Amino acid sequence: DGGITQSPKYLFRKEGQNVTLSCEQNLNHDAMYWYRQDPGQGLRLIYYSQIVNDFQKGDIAEGYSVSREKKESFPLTVTSAQKNPTAFYLCASSKTSGVLAQYFGPGTRLLVL
Amino acid sequence: GENVEQHPSTLSVQEGDSAVIKCTYSDSASNYFPWYKQELGKRPQLIIDIRSNVGEKKDQRIAVTLNKTAKHFSLHITETQPEDSAVYFCAASIGVQFYFGTGTSLTVIP
Repeated sequence: DGGITQSPKYLFRKEGQNVTLSCEQNLNHDAMYWYRQDPGQGLRLIYYSQIVNDFQKGDIAEGYSVSREKKESFPLTVTSAQKNPTAFYLCASSKTSGVLAQYFGPGTRLLVL
Repeated sequence: GENVEQHPSTLSVQEGDSAVIKCTYSDSASNYFPWYKQELGKRPQLIIDIRSNVGEKKDQRIAVTLNKTAKHFSLHITETQPEDSAVYFCAASIGVQFYFGTGTSLTVIP
């Protein structure tokens, strides 16, 4: 898990504003994921990507967008269409063959002003 | 798709006692089952995992068992310590897709 970084640690969003959360990994993992965690709840999948320039929607993709231009990077944009964005956002990565353990970044806490 | 259920949602044990958390899954294609520990405000940390061709795996005080026929797997923590207090998540994966349980909040009472 030490090879995955997320920034910023805290992020404040104003009404109508798009914000982007950064996720970088140096584990040479092909797959990357974004999860949302609300207080006292589990992990809900937003988007995932198995390969550069390709990604799939998860269970709660509405109001979010992603890109995968580089293997190491998988930024998440929370758009103004996401009406309740306050949550803890976790990025993760894994291999796509062999041992498929998923490793998480330290998370970004998004708050709405 | 896969559905993972986790029980109990909260668990309190006395220090030194054992704790058991159980998960069931629905899709027989699931072939990898990791367990994560998440402390408050921190990232989930992988603590143990098991593949579908193995029935049991142990790492010091932590063990995981898998019953493929019944589609359930369990986390066992022996000789619990206060630092074991955290939220524990189970997961089942089919290829690169991971499906998480809703978590168990474990409190170890000194």
